[in-house]
Amino acid sequence: AQTVTQSQPEMSVQEAETVTLSCTYDTSESNYYLFWYKQPPSRQMILVIRQEAYKQQNATENRFSVNFQKAAKSFSLKISDSQLGDTAMYFCAFIATQGGSEKLVFGKGTKLTVNP
Amino acid sequence: EPEVTQTPSHQVTQMGQEVILRCVPISNHLYFYWYRQILGQKVEFLVSFYNNEISEKSEIFDDQFSVERPDGSNFTLKIRSTKLEDSAMYFCASSEAINQPQHFGDGTRLSIL
Repeated sequence: AQTVTQSQPEMSVQEAETVTLSCTYDTSESNYYLFWYKQPPSRQMILVIRQEAYKQQNATENRFSVNFQKAAKSFSLKISDSQLGDTAMYFCAFIATQGGSEKLVFGKGTKLTVNP
Repeated sequence: EPEVTQTPSHQVTQMGQEVILRCVPISNHLYFYWYRQILGQKVEFLVSFYNNEISEKSEIFDDQFSVERPDGSNFTLKIRSTKLEDSAMYFCASSEAINQPQHFGDGTRLSIL
């Protein structure tokens, strides 16, 4: 069974600073996708970034980038130039591409607070 | 940008009653999902739906639950004989294809009294 672990329940960062959120996962699959979702206090789930396991290049999306270490099964999210609107719960999620599984497996989340 | 829409945003129901949560997936998406998030806990997969049938379900998704696509646009989750522990945020999601990003709706907060 796949599992996703986010070891930081809460983090805080000053506005304009950089913060890194950690995520590790466990799977026997070789092909899969990893995602970071953001859940602001309004509770909607917003896709932040996606990484395909077969791609060595780390995904980037404006101020958001990932450090994907496949051998270590690590998938951290870096937020640069943090903004107040980045305050949210951040969930790391995994989906296997083999076997036809369609379910996202989520970590428990990291609550990020950006302070002015 | 196209969105997944869910109604209602908040549903309060007496224990033992039936409740139907509604979702309108993004129009060109073919895969539909329901997830549940009990307050303070992780998001959990309930069920996926493709080609008018359930394609995968979790152990949570027992006989109390059912899903339906009654027409070309709506996707519903029915919970029969609700229990207190069914209180949670229920998210609908859709994707263009398997393993493509799943886009979530804003969720329905279900409160069972």
